[in-house]
Amino acid sequence: SQQGEEDPQALSIQEGENATMNCSYKTSINNLQWYRQNSGRGLVHLILIRSNEREKHSGRLRVTLDTSKKSSSLLITASRAADTASYFCATALNQAGTALIFGKGTTLSVSS
Amino acid sequence: DTEVTQTPKHLVMGMTNKKSLKCEQHMGHRAMYWYKQKAKKPPELMFVYSYEKLSINESVPSRFSPECPNSSLLNLHLHALQPEDSALYLCASSQPGQTIAKNIQYFGAGTRLSVL
Repeated sequence: SQQGEEDPQALSIQEGENATMNCSYKTSINNLQWYRQNSGRGLVHLILIRSNEREKHSGRLRVTLDTSKKSSSLLITASRAADTASYFCATALNQAGTALIFGKGTTLSVSS
Repeated sequence: DTEVTQTPKHLVMGMTNKKSLKCEQHMGHRAMYWYKQKAKKPPELMFVYSYEKLSINESVPSRFSPECPNSSLLNLHLHALQPEDSALYLCASSQPGQTIAKNIQYFGAGTRLSVL
């Protein structure tokens, strides 16, 4: 079962535009992570936001977290064709944080 | 070196075959994971090894048998699989512990398994 639910499921934009994807989760968390997966490949960690943080930046990425709404958003600014991938939010299944449960994911397509 | 290496990249097997997937990391991580991912779905956790001991088994059928022979290696032994087991199998590793930064997992590229 998935902890997170992303929306939209699919997003198509032009290069240079911003892409926003959202994630909702069900239980209390210590942190929330976002991962990217290029087609048929492994996942790559993008950013981790702690439960006591509201916003975090990393390069062209901006993540927000609203623990009262149990939701997070990932904003990719000035998208590039290379950003085409699936994006998943992930929360920890257990207290140790060693077992991740992933949301359903958003498939982003950036065309040039 | 932040690499997790999985072999083979592709595997086709019959339902009566026995095969193994291999995963290796040299980052000194002491937690390793197997995930199963079906097309257009998120990865689903199968097993977690922490300090070479199985700590989580997400009710995976016994035809999947994990093994962690040392801190760098993780195997997944496959036997009598079904066609519905066809999927991308992902291995990951992390440093266990309470530090939040250690929750970050590093993934291999996966083994794409087809069961005929």
